[in-house]
Order: sequence, then structure tokens, then C-alpha cells
Amino acid sequence: GNSVTQMEGPVTLSEEAFLTINCTYTATGYPSLFWYVQYPGEGLQLLLKATKADDKGSNKGFEATYRKETTSFHLEKGSVQVSDSAVYFCALIVGGKIQGAQKLVFGQGTRLTINP
Amino acid sequence: DTGVSQNPRHKITKRGQNVTFRCDPISEHNRLYWYRQTLGQGPEFLTYFQNEAQLEKSRLLSDRFSAERPKGSFSTLEIQRTEQGDSAMYLCASSSPSRNEKLFFGSGTQLSVL
Repeated sequence: GNSVTQMEGPVTLSEEAFLTINCTYTATGYPSLFWYVQYPGEGLQLLLKATKADDKGSNKGFEATYRKETTSFHLEKGSVQVSDSAVYFCALIVGGKIQGAQKLVFGQGTRLTINP
Repeated sequence: DTGVSQNPRHKITKRGQNVTFRCDPISEHNRLYWYRQTLGQGPEFLTYFQNEAQLEKSRLLSDRFSAERPKGSFSTLEIQRTEQGDSAMYLCASSSPSRNEKLFFGSGTQLSVL
């Protein structure tokens, strides 16, 4: 089946620290991979995505590289800020019955807290 | 974009009661999705619509659940005879092929079944 496993949280870091949130996946076929972020009181937002092996998604200083050989899509940021405090979800898309349908399979989420 | 709007934000109900949630997608989006998120877990796909047609349903959507999108605009999700296990955050999202199918999520409806 299709599944996503994220490192367990919560993760607490100091401002300007280096961040890694691990994500590995199991999928039939060739999935597209995503990171979503959920800030307190807000809806999920797409942070970045990658659609094929060795692609690197990036946004707001965050990066993740699609590694087919290790079935991983780890999220990294070189210097975190207090405003990065949120819950981060790794996800993959499974083909639906209709092309383009966004049937996402999510990991369990990792809560990140950045202290000043 | 005015964003995806969900109502109510919170719903508390007693076991056995029926509840209905509403989702208003971004106006030009023809695809609408429902997901469910339980505490400490990621969202799980429930169902989606293309315009007014419900094209796919998850096994998670038992017979007590029904979703509609009568005019291809807003959608409702009804749960009949609620159970405590139905307590969760119900998320709605919408997308459009013209926006590269990027999903826009609402803030969700938090259901608590007592």
C-alpha cells in the first residue's frame, strides 16, 4: 500500500538552528511528494513539492530532495525562525480515478517549536 | 482568492445525533475534497467531487456519512447517528486545473461527539 512515515515530534529548536524533519514513504508506482505546513489556527498550506526523482522542492528557505533510492523526502532549513513554529506534514499523491485528483496520503505530522 | 471557508468551526454533539458541515470552496475551483484528521494523525482522504459529481469515496466513508455538492459550488458533509469515534477535524479543500491542481485547505470543522 501507500504510506508516509515522519520522524516523531515534537521537535524543539533554538532560533537559527539547522532543521531536519525526516520523511520516508512506501508507494506503488511513482508518487509525487509534498510538504504541507499548518500554522496555529490556519488551514494546511503547501510548502513545497517534487514530482520526480532527484527533484528539489524549495520555498521560504525550506528544501527537500526526492530520493528514490532511499524512498525519502527529508525537509531541511539552514536557519529556523520563531515564525516557523508549526506542524509539518509529509505527503504523497496517489493516482485517483480521475487524472489530477489530489488524493493525498499524509504522514502523522511533526510539531516544530522554535524558541527565541 | 477569498479562500476555502468551512462552517461551523466547532461542533459539539451528543452520540446518536446527526450533524452537517458546510464547505465553500474558492469560487472558480471545480474540484472539492473532504479529509478527516484525528488527533496526532495526518489528514485522511474521504471523498472528492468534480463539479457536482462525487467521483471517489474512501472506505473510511461509512454508510452514516454522506457528502453532496448539489450545484457544483458549496458542499455539505452529513454524519448520521454520530459515534464517539467520529470526533475529528473535518477538512475541506479545493483545486482547479488552471491552478495546477494546487490544493487550498479550509481551517476545518472540529467535531466533538460526547
